[in-house]
Amino acid sequence: RKEVEQDPGPFNVPEGATVAFNCTYSNSASQSFFWYRQDCRKEPKLLMSVYSSGNEDGRFTAQLNRASQYISLLIRDSKLSDSATYLCVVSWASGSARQLTFGSGTQLTVLP
Amino acid sequence: SAVISQKPSRDICQRGTSLTIQCQVDSQVTMMFWYRQQPGQSLTLIATANQGSEATYESGFVIDKFPISRPNLTFSTLTVSNMSPEDSSIYLCSVDHRTQQFFGPGTRLTVL
Repeated sequence: RKEVEQDPGPFNVPEGATVAFNCTYSNSASQSFFWYRQDCRKEPKLLMSVYSSGNEDGRFTAQLNRASQYISLLIRDSKLSDSATYLCVVSWASGSARQLTFGSGTQLTVLP
Repeated sequence: SAVISQKPSRDICQRGTSLTIQCQVDSQVTMMFWYRQQPGQSLTLIATANQGSEATYESGFVIDKFPISRPNLTFSTLTVSNMSPEDSSIYLCSVDHRTQQFFGPGTRLTVL
């Protein structure tokens, strides 16, 4: 079983649609949670951290359910520029370092 | 944010040869990380590099295959030794800076 599992995708949605991505993690000792965005042939970049109380950043809303070990990302009013692969990332302390584990990513294509 | 550069950005190599990838950060960081992203896959951590000590390798990766240097707090190298076509991948350098993980642009390696 993978440590971080995501919706397989790909998601093809029209502009303006709302789309949700789900992610589950297996390590109950996980401490921090993130969504990264990776554009084609580019490096991953942090989209947002995910907090226990849930958090919003413009059109993006992230939720965390520690009991179910489940993370979600909601994108409202999707734009063409949202087309990318979205990576669910989980981290925990490993000695003096943070250990990150990446999901396999969900590919989103927003269509005109 | 931390700005990371990698050299080379891409290379095509012959089987059995070795390639050294350089990573330069614009600020001093304690730990640098090397990841591999195979085609269509997510990121897999190869090793963590601390300045002044031997790198710590993840399961499935060994020092003889992926020797790492970390001569100072802003620079690291990863060597892919005795390459085979299975080593064709994107290799990414990463740093943990102010609780956020930043990635270099990656080195796209093709082994023939």
